[in-house]
Amino acid sequence: GAGVSQTPSNKVTEKGKYVELRCDPISGHTALYWYRQSLGQGPEFLIYFQGTGAADDSGLPNDRFFAVRPEGSVSTLKIQRTERGDSAVYLCASSRLAGANEQFFGPGTRLTVL
Amino acid sequence: QKEVEQDPGPLSVPEGAIVSLNCTYSNSAFQYFMWYRQYSRKGPELLMYTYSSGNKEDGRFTAQVDKSSKYISLFIRDSQPSDSATYLCAIQGGYSGAGSYQLTFGKGTKLSVIP
Repeated sequence: GAGVSQTPSNKVTEKGKYVELRCDPISGHTALYWYRQSLGQGPEFLIYFQGTGAADDSGLPNDRFFAVRPEGSVSTLKIQRTERGDSAVYLCASSRLAGANEQFFGPGTRLTVL
Repeated sequence: QKEVEQDPGPLSVPEGAIVSLNCTYSNSAFQYFMWYRQYSRKGPELLMYTYSSGNKEDGRFTAQVDKSSKYISLFIRDSQPSDSATYLCAIQGGYSGAGSYQLTFGKGTKLSVIP
């Protein structure tokens, strides 16, 4: 597709469960970013990939959060032992190159932890 | 003080009005400035991207950056009901080193254009 795609669009889970959120970036984009957006707030940075490696994971809130991008394209954000406070929209963005460059966002995954 | 401040509104204007949306930021190292539009339950859509002080125009939209005042603005001329959305300002480092590529967003301003 032409844009960033994310699956699932909605995810409802119970407290303590494990979830995986998937991002498929724009073809040819080398940089990939995950952000989290809480209600009434702007997106907040979580992690940045340049190719296959996580170049900066300083935004991950704790060690329950982990992300991978094994082949330098699709990325998966993994959340263990989910908590109600993890409920938010998880946004993925990609850019053609690393560094200061336009970032294009996907539609997001709305995660609800009951 | 947050790095980026943006009045969340809501802002309601009649169709055809000129809309002015603003953000201030605190870190003078930031060099790249963006405006995103976000419709309800959608991802942010990039509207404008600029890296210098001054104005940048695209159709009905004008982005203005004043680095000396650390103040950025988005103007929408001849506003339409389809412009009703949340507008997010975002800034980016442009310097070398950690954090230079991540976007720092304002809270977003919710705009309603009334027919």
